[in-house]
Amino acid sequence: EPEVTQTPSHQVTQMGQEVILRCVPISNHLYFYWYRQILGQKVEFLVSFYNNEISEKSEIFDDQFSVERPDGSNFTLKIRSTKLEDSAMYFCASIQTETQYFGPGTRLLVL
Amino acid sequence: KQEVTQIPAALSVPEGENLVLNCSFTDSAIYNLQWFRQDPGKGLTSLLLIQSSQREQTSGRLNASLDKSSGRSTLYIAASQPGDSATYLCAVQVTGGGNKLTFGTGTQLKVEL
Repeated sequence: EPEVTQTPSHQVTQMGQEVILRCVPISNHLYFYWYRQILGQKVEFLVSFYNNEISEKSEIFDDQFSVERPDGSNFTLKIRSTKLEDSAMYFCASIQTETQYFGPGTRLLVL
Repeated sequence: KQEVTQIPAALSVPEGENLVLNCSFTDSAIYNLQWFRQDPGKGLTSLLLIQSSQREQTSGRLNASLDKSSGRSTLYIAASQPGDSATYLCAVQVTGGGNKLTFGTGTQLKVEL
């Protein structure tokens, strides 16, 4: 069964460093998303992406964040200058019609 | 702004018991509601999706109901097993709100032998 994959599974970085989180959505899906879950808190929407542009973003998704679909398969989330509060699990999701399929997540730790 | 609440926050039951998890949402203008399972440190696995026009959906031992007018959904798990132990999340997609999901805080379920 097709699935969403994410790399790396874990990332440790120093505050102020740039990180790129990678996702490969399910191949025939059209909408792509990033969510995050801070430890012990709700899963929160960050951004949605359709037709090679951002379709919606949350208040969390400020100028430090960017998304890109550099080729026909990858979907990336870049955090330009990480802060301690960016430490969280980041989930990628994709959708063809209605059901959102989530990847296993990347656990980001900012020191 | 849509708020999603789940009760109880945690539940421990003996194996074989039938149980009900509750989800409530403040804005009834939803497009659909989805139930997920999350194992510790893992991603989210979609269990059931209920369209706003539907009253319930079933998959195996799971049955999810939706009462849009009262802003409630329940997930019924029949004959619970230790392998059902996980956190269960409900999430709503609001009409006209794009495709983003708004999640509840989850119910942590433990099924004991």
